Amino acid sequence: AQSVTQLGSHVSVSEGALVLLRCNYSSSVPPYLFWYVQYPNQGLQLLLKYTSAATLVKGINGFEAEFKKSETSFHLTKPSAHMSDAAEYFCAVSRGSQGNLIFGKGTKLSVKP
Amino acid sequence: SQTIHQWPATLVQPVGSPLSLECTVEGTSNPNLYWYRQAAGRGLQLLFYSVGIGQISSEVPQNLSASRPQDRQFILSSKKLLLSDSGFYLCAWNRGGTGNTIYFGEGSWLTVV
Repeated sequence: AQSVTQLGSHVSVSEGALVLLRCNYSSSVPPYLFWYVQYPNQGLQLLLKYTSAATLVKGINGFEAEFKKSETSFHLTKPSAHMSDAAEYFCAVSRGSQGNLIFGKGTKLSVKP
Repeated sequence: SQTIHQWPATLVQPVGSPLSLECTVEGTSNPNLYWYRQAAGRGLQLLFYSVGIGQISSEVPQNLSASRPQDRQFILSSKKLLLSDSGFYLCAWNRGGTGNTIYFGEGSWLTVV
């Protein structure tokens, strides 16, 4: 069965600092992995997606994530945080052939000036 | 291009009253459709998904129901709301198959009083 664990429900960084949001997955088959971002009172927006084409995936807004099979991880990073990055971030893994995704509980990112 | 809309955006309903949230997708045919609920600190909970007209799968037993009367229309209903039904409801869609991105609507805030 597939599952996702996001370490840290809240992360706070200073503007300009490195952003690191952690995600570990469990999957019995080669996984498809996703990061979504949710701004307050809005739906979720796709940041990036891993499909096995490349282990380092670049997404929108300067974010990227690296797939590490040995560590079963798919951590999200951004070299320099911006105030506009303050949001909640969700990691997700595909659920077999049904097309559904299993989401982590989310990590709320705060950016201090 | 494909778009997804759900309404109403916000509603306040008394306990015991009925509920109807609607969602439509444009620009695609035979999508998979989903209803998620997001409660504070609990991440995204999949409530229902549908792979075709009249085909509904329920993930969590509760007093909510879903229907898909047309190919691109998905409705979330309740005959009698409970306080615990309060939350942010998200409709979503994707194309069937493994690893396809799920696209979300803008969300509906439900407060049961």
